[in-house]
Amino acid sequence: SQKIEQNSEALNIQEGKTATLTCNYTNYSPAYLQWYRQDPGRGPVFLLLIRENEKEKRKERLKVTFDTTLKQSLFHITASQPADSATYLCALEDYGQNFVFGPGTRLSVLP
Amino acid sequence: EAGVTQFPSHSVIEKGQTVTLRCDPISGHDNLYWYRRVMGKEIKFLLHFVKESKQDESGMPNNRFLAERTGGTYSTLKVQPAELEDSGVYFCASSHFLTGVHTEAFFGQGTRLTVV
Repeated sequence: SQKIEQNSEALNIQEGKTATLTCNYTNYSPAYLQWYRQDPGRGPVFLLLIRENEKEKRKERLKVTFDTTLKQSLFHITASQPADSATYLCALEDYGQNFVFGPGTRLSVLP
Repeated sequence: EAGVTQFPSHSVIEKGQTVTLRCDPISGHDNLYWYRRVMGKEIKFLLHFVKESKQDESGMPNNRFLAERTGGTYSTLKVQPAELEDSGVYFCASSHFLTGVHTEAFFGQGTRLTVV
C-alpha cells in the first residue's frame, strides 16, 4: 500500500544546531516533492520544492535532498532558532498536480 | 495581494445539519484544492478543481460532500447531513495552473468544523 512516513512525531534540538527531518515514501513515484511549515491554527506554508532530477535544493538556512532510489527526502535547517519551531510536512506529487501529505514532524528548537 | 481566505474560521453544528464552507483563492489561480485534517491524522486530499471543472474528486469521503466552483472563482464545500466523523479542519489551497510545471500551493487558514 502507499505510505508516507516522517521520521518522528516530535524532534527537540538545541538552538544553533542543525535539524534534520526525514520523509520516506513507498509505492509512489513522485515527479517532485515539497516541504511545508505549519504553525498552530494556521494553514501550511510552502518552503521548498525539489524535482526528481534534482539532488539538492537550498534556500537560505534550508536544504532539501531527494533520493528517488532510497525513496527519501531529507530536510535540513542549519543554525536553528526558536522561531523555527513548528510542524514540518512533506508532500509528494501523486499524479497530475495533486499532492499527498505526510503526517508531519513537530520540531522544537530549545533556547 | 490577498491570500487564500476561508470562512467561517470555526463552525459548530449538530449531527444531521448542513454546513457550507467557502474558499476564495488567490486571484488568477486556476487550481483550487480542498484538504481535510481529522484529529491526529495527516492532511488528506479531498478534491481538485481546475477553473470550474473537477479535475479529481477521488478523495471525497462520500456523497454527503458536495463541492462547487461556479465561474471558476470561489469554491464551496457543503456537508449534508453532517456526521460526527466529519469534524476536523478543512483547508483550501490554490496555485497557478501551468502545463508541465509544478508550482507552489498557497493555503488558507482553514475552517475548523465540529459536529456535535
